[in-house]
Amino acid sequence: AQSVTQLGSHVSVSEGALVLLRCNYSSSVPPYLFWYVQYPNQGLQLLLKYTSAATLVKGINGFEAEFKKSETSFHLTKPSAHMSDAAEYFCAVNHNTDKLIFGTGTRLQVFP
Amino acid sequence: EAGVAQSPRYKIIEKRQSVAFWCNPISGHATLYWYQQILGQGPKLLIQFQNNGVVDDSQLPKDRFSAERLKGVDSTLKIQPAKLEDSAVYLCASSTTRTGWTDTQYFGPGTRLTVL
Repeated sequence: AQSVTQLGSHVSVSEGALVLLRCNYSSSVPPYLFWYVQYPNQGLQLLLKYTSAATLVKGINGFEAEFKKSETSFHLTKPSAHMSDAAEYFCAVNHNTDKLIFGTGTRLQVFP
Repeated sequence: EAGVAQSPRYKIIEKRQSVAFWCNPISGHATLYWYQQILGQGPKLLIQFQNNGVVDDSQLPKDRFSAERLKGVDSTLKIQPAKLEDSAVYLCASSTTRTGWTDTQYFGPGTRLTVL
């Protein structure tokens, strides 16, 4: 069965610092992987997705993620955090269906 | 392009009452999804429609939840009777499903249900 694990339910960074949100997947076959962001009282918005093309995926708002098969990871990074990045981030996986399996989420706080 | 619309945004009911949520997907999107997001958890798929047919309802508690998508456009999700554990945000999403499994799902703002 497919699943994703997001390490750290809360991450706090200072404005301008590196953002690193961790996601590990479990899948017996190459998966498709996604990162979504959810701002307060809003729905989810796609940040980026990995679909077996380039392993380094660039998304919106300066975020990127790298697919590492050897580590079964798809961590989300951003070189310099902005206050507007404060939100909840979800990693999700699917394989050969359009049914997304979401992780439990990581809440990112950005301090001035 | 207009996004996915949902109403109401908030609903408070007492247990054993019934409630209905409405979703209007992005125009032209064939696939519609209903998710349940309990506080502190990721969204969980309840039901998926392709046009007006059900593709996956394996996680829908059918003894109390029902959903329909008449005419393959907008959809309603109903809970009857509601239980305390149904308190959650109900998210609707849609996608074109032109290329298949990697199509982006676009989410509405959700309906926050509180069952007292």
